[in-house]
Amino acid sequence: EAGVTQFPSHSVIEKGQTVTLRCDPISGHDNLYWYRRVMGKEIKFLLHFVKESKQDESGMPNNRFLAERTGGTYSTLKVQPAELEDSGVYFCASSQGATTQYFGPGTRLLVL
Amino acid sequence: AQTVTQSQPEMSVQEAETVTLSCTYDTSESDYYLFWYKQPPSRQMILVIRQEAYKQQNATENRFSVNFQKAAKSFSLKISDSQLGDAAMYFCAYSHSGTYKYIFGTGTRLKVLA
Repeated sequence: EAGVTQFPSHSVIEKGQTVTLRCDPISGHDNLYWYRRVMGKEIKFLLHFVKESKQDESGMPNNRFLAERTGGTYSTLKVQPAELEDSGVYFCASSQGATTQYFGPGTRLLVL
Repeated sequence: AQTVTQSQPEMSVQEAETVTLSCTYDTSESDYYLFWYKQPPSRQMILVIRQEAYKQQNATENRFSVNFQKAAKSFSLKISDSQLGDAAMYFCAYSHSGTYKYIFGTGTRLKVLA
Protein backbone atom coordinates (compact mmCIF):
# COMPACT_ATOMS: atom_id res chain seq x y z
CA GLU A 1 0.00 0.00 0.00
CA ALA A 2 1.40 3.38 -1.00
CA GLY A 3 1.96 5.87 1.79
CA VAL A 4 1.26 9.57 1.83
CA THR A 5 3.17 11.32 -0.93
CA GLN A 6 4.04 14.98 -1.28
CA PHE A 7 5.30 17.01 -4.16
CA PRO A 8 7.68 18.75 -4.56
CA SER A 9 10.17 17.55 -1.99
CA HIS A 10 11.93 20.93 -2.06
CA SER A 11 10.98 24.36 -3.34
CA VAL A 12 13.01 27.56 -3.37
CA ILE A 13 11.13 30.71 -4.36
CA GLU A 14 11.52 34.43 -4.00
CA LYS A 15 9.42 36.58 -1.74
CA GLY A 16 6.23 37.58 -3.49
CA GLN A 17 6.05 34.50 -5.68
CA THR A 18 3.42 31.78 -5.54
CA VAL A 19 4.02 28.16 -4.60
CA THR A 20 1.64 25.22 -4.66
CA LEU A 21 2.27 22.11 -2.62
CA ARG A 22 0.52 18.85 -3.34
CA CYS A 23 -0.39 15.94 -1.11
CA ASP A 24 -1.75 12.54 -2.09
CA PRO A 25 -3.15 10.71 0.93
CA ILE A 26 -3.35 6.99 1.48
CA SER A 27 -6.14 5.60 -0.65
CA GLY A 28 -9.40 5.40 1.26
CA HIS A 29 -8.42 7.88 3.95
CA ASP A 30 -11.15 10.49 4.30
CA ASN A 31 -9.15 12.65 6.69
CA LEU A 32 -6.31 14.78 5.39
CA TYR A 33 -4.21 17.23 7.42
CA TRP A 34 -1.60 19.88 6.78
CA TYR A 35 1.06 20.78 9.30
CA ARG A 36 4.08 23.06 9.20
CA ARG A 37 7.38 23.05 11.01
CA VAL A 38 9.37 26.26 11.10
CA MET A 39 13.08 25.66 11.72
CA GLY A 40 13.77 24.43 15.22
CA LYS A 41 10.21 24.81 16.41
CA GLU A 42 7.33 22.44 16.92
CA ILE A 43 5.22 21.02 14.14
CA LYS A 44 2.03 23.06 14.03
CA PHE A 45 -1.39 22.08 12.75
CA LEU A 46 -2.71 24.09 9.81
CA LEU A 47 -5.96 22.44 8.77
CA HIS A 48 -8.03 19.29 8.48
CA PHE A 49 -10.17 18.04 5.62
CA VAL A 50 -12.86 15.41 5.81
CA LYS A 51 -13.27 14.33 2.24
CA GLU A 52 -13.50 17.60 0.33
CA SER A 53 -14.75 19.72 3.23
CA LYS A 54 -12.63 21.80 5.57
CA GLN A 55 -13.35 20.52 9.05
CA ASP A 56 -10.93 22.71 10.95
CA GLU A 57 -8.78 25.47 9.53
CA SER A 58 -7.94 27.13 12.81
CA GLY A 59 -4.21 26.82 12.25
CA MET A 60 -4.02 28.59 8.91
CA PRO A 61 -1.77 31.61 9.53
CA ASN A 62 -3.45 34.12 7.22
CA ASN A 63 -5.34 34.53 3.98
CA ARG A 64 -2.21 34.10 1.88
CA PHE A 65 -2.67 30.36 2.42
CA LEU A 66 -5.33 28.51 0.46
CA ALA A 67 -5.96 24.79 0.80
CA GLU A 68 -8.19 22.71 -1.43
CA ARG A 69 -9.04 19.07 -1.71
CA THR A 70 -10.47 18.24 -5.08
CA GLY A 71 -13.08 15.49 -5.05
CA GLY A 72 -11.92 14.33 -1.66
CA THR A 73 -8.70 12.89 -3.06
CA TYR A 74 -5.46 14.84 -3.30
CA SER A 75 -4.99 18.23 -1.68
CA THR A 76 -3.09 21.36 -2.61
CA LEU A 77 -1.79 24.13 -0.39
CA LYS A 78 -1.09 27.38 -2.16
CA VAL A 79 0.90 30.22 -0.67
CA GLN A 80 0.37 33.52 -2.48
CA PRO A 81 2.29 35.77 -2.16
CA ALA A 82 5.01 33.99 -0.22
CA GLU A 83 6.78 35.79 2.61
CA LEU A 84 10.11 34.99 4.30
CA GLU A 85 8.38 33.64 7.40
CA ASP A 86 6.59 31.02 5.33
CA SER A 87 9.82 29.04 5.05
CA GLY A 88 9.69 25.67 6.72
CA VAL A 89 8.72 22.07 6.19
CA TYR A 90 5.12 21.41 5.24
CA PHE A 91 3.82 18.00 6.22
CA CYS A 92 0.70 16.31 5.01
CA ALA A 93 -0.93 13.45 6.87
CA SER A 94 -3.97 11.26 6.39
CA SER A 95 -6.05 8.98 8.55
CA GLN A 96 -9.04 6.70 8.35
CA GLY A 97 -10.34 7.44 11.84
CA ALA A 98 -9.63 9.99 14.50
CA THR A 99 -6.50 8.56 16.02
CA THR A 100 -3.41 7.51 14.12
CA GLN A 101 -2.24 9.81 11.36
CA TYR A 102 0.19 8.73 8.64
CA PHE A 103 2.60 11.38 7.49
CA GLY A 104 4.23 12.18 4.20
CA PRO A 105 7.92 13.06 3.87
CA GLY A 106 7.25 16.78 3.82
CA THR A 107 7.96 19.62 1.41
CA ARG A 108 10.86 21.87 2.34
CA LEU A 109 9.99 25.43 1.35
CA LEU A 110 12.57 28.18 1.34
CA VAL A 111 11.47 31.74 0.62
CA LEU A 112 14.33 34.09 -0.24
CA ALA B 1 -4.53 25.24 25.74
CA GLN B 2 -2.73 21.96 25.44
CA THR B 3 1.05 21.99 25.13
CA VAL B 4 3.74 19.38 24.62
CA THR B 5 7.30 19.90 25.81
CA GLN B 6 10.41 18.00 24.79
CA SER B 7 13.24 19.42 26.87
CA GLN B 8 16.08 17.52 25.19
CA PRO B 9 16.93 19.02 21.79
CA GLU B 10 19.59 16.36 21.23
CA MET B 11 20.58 13.05 22.78
CA SER B 12 23.32 10.53 22.07
CA VAL B 13 23.45 6.84 22.84
CA GLN B 14 26.00 4.15 22.28
CA GLU B 15 24.94 1.30 20.02
CA ALA B 16 23.30 -1.52 22.04
CA GLU B 17 22.69 0.77 25.00
CA THR B 18 19.38 2.13 26.31
CA VAL B 19 18.20 5.71 26.03
CA THR B 20 15.15 7.53 27.34
CA LEU B 21 13.60 10.54 25.63
CA SER B 22 11.46 12.85 27.74
CA CYS B 23 8.10 14.36 26.96
CA THR B 24 5.72 16.26 29.20
CA TYR B 25 2.36 17.67 28.27
CA ASP B 26 -0.28 19.88 29.72
CA THR B 27 -4.00 19.30 29.35
CA SER B 28 -7.17 19.55 31.36
CA GLU B 29 -8.76 16.72 29.38
CA SER B 30 -9.01 13.17 30.69
CA ASP B 31 -9.45 11.32 27.41
CA TYR B 32 -6.62 11.67 24.94
CA TYR B 33 -3.90 9.91 22.97
CA LEU B 34 -0.15 10.29 23.06
CA PHE B 35 2.24 9.36 20.30
CA TRP B 36 5.92 9.09 19.52
CA TYR B 37 6.87 9.59 15.89
CA LYS B 38 10.29 9.07 14.36
CA GLN B 39 11.66 10.93 11.34
CA PRO B 40 14.94 9.56 9.97
CA PRO B 41 17.02 12.02 7.93
CA SER B 42 15.26 12.91 4.66
CA ARG B 43 12.66 10.24 5.20
CA GLN B 44 9.03 9.82 6.13
CA MET B 45 7.83 10.41 9.67
CA ILE B 46 6.57 7.11 11.04
CA LEU B 47 4.63 6.13 14.12
CA VAL B 48 6.74 4.46 16.78
CA ILE B 49 4.23 3.94 19.54
CA ARG B 50 0.79 5.08 20.69
CA GLN B 51 -0.74 5.29 24.16
CA GLU B 52 -4.38 5.74 25.06
CA ALA B 53 -4.77 7.80 28.23
CA TYR B 54 -7.45 5.52 29.65
CA LYS B 55 -5.07 2.56 29.59
CA GLN B 56 -2.92 2.15 32.67
CA GLN B 57 -0.58 -0.32 31.01
CA ASN B 58 2.39 1.20 29.26
CA ALA B 59 2.53 0.58 25.52
CA THR B 60 5.42 -1.43 24.07
CA GLU B 61 6.55 -2.16 20.53
CA ASN B 62 9.55 -4.47 20.37
CA ARG B 63 12.54 -2.42 21.60
CA PHE B 64 10.41 0.67 22.16
CA SER B 65 8.41 1.23 25.33
CA VAL B 66 6.89 4.17 27.10
CA ASN B 67 6.63 5.26 30.70
CA PHE B 68 3.23 6.92 30.89
CA GLN B 69 2.63 8.83 34.11
CA LYS B 70 -0.83 10.34 33.75
CA ALA B 71 -0.86 12.27 37.02
CA ALA B 72 2.54 13.76 36.29
CA LYS B 73 1.61 14.32 32.62
CA SER B 74 4.77 12.63 31.50
CA PHE B 75 5.25 10.33 28.51
CA SER B 76 8.85 9.22 28.04
CA LEU B 77 10.11 6.86 25.35
CA LYS B 78 12.66 4.18 26.14
CA ILE B 79 14.68 2.62 23.35
CA SER B 80 16.47 -0.57 24.34
CA ASP B 81 19.40 -2.15 22.51
CA SER B 82 19.82 0.98 20.36
CA GLN B 83 20.67 0.43 16.73
CA LEU B 84 22.23 2.71 14.13
CA GLY B 85 18.88 2.80 12.35
CA ASP B 86 17.30 4.41 15.40
CA ALA B 87 19.11 7.66 14.64
CA ALA B 88 16.37 10.15 13.84
CA MET B 89 14.35 13.10 15.06
CA TYR B 90 11.74 11.94 17.56
CA PHE B 91 8.54 13.87 18.05
CA CYS B 92 6.11 13.52 20.91
CA ALA B 93 2.49 14.35 20.05
CA TYR B 94 -0.84 14.72 21.84
CA SER B 95 -4.36 14.43 20.51
CA HIS B 96 -7.54 14.99 22.46
CA SER B 97 -10.21 12.39 21.83
CA GLY B 98 -12.94 13.91 19.74
CA THR B 99 -10.59 16.25 17.94
CA TYR B 100 -8.28 15.29 15.18
CA LYS B 101 -5.37 17.65 15.27
CA TYR B 102 -2.08 16.74 16.86
CA ILE B 103 -0.08 18.99 19.12
CA PHE B 104 3.63 18.33 18.80
CA GLY B 105 6.72 18.97 20.85
CA THR B 106 9.81 20.54 19.29
CA GLY B 107 11.52 17.19 18.80
CA THR B 108 14.62 15.41 20.08
CA ARG B 109 17.42 14.51 17.69
CA LEU B 110 18.84 11.13 18.63
CA LYS B 111 22.34 10.18 17.56
CA VAL B 112 23.47 6.57 17.81
CA LEU B 113 27.21 6.10 18.17
CA ALA B 114 28.91 3.00 16.79
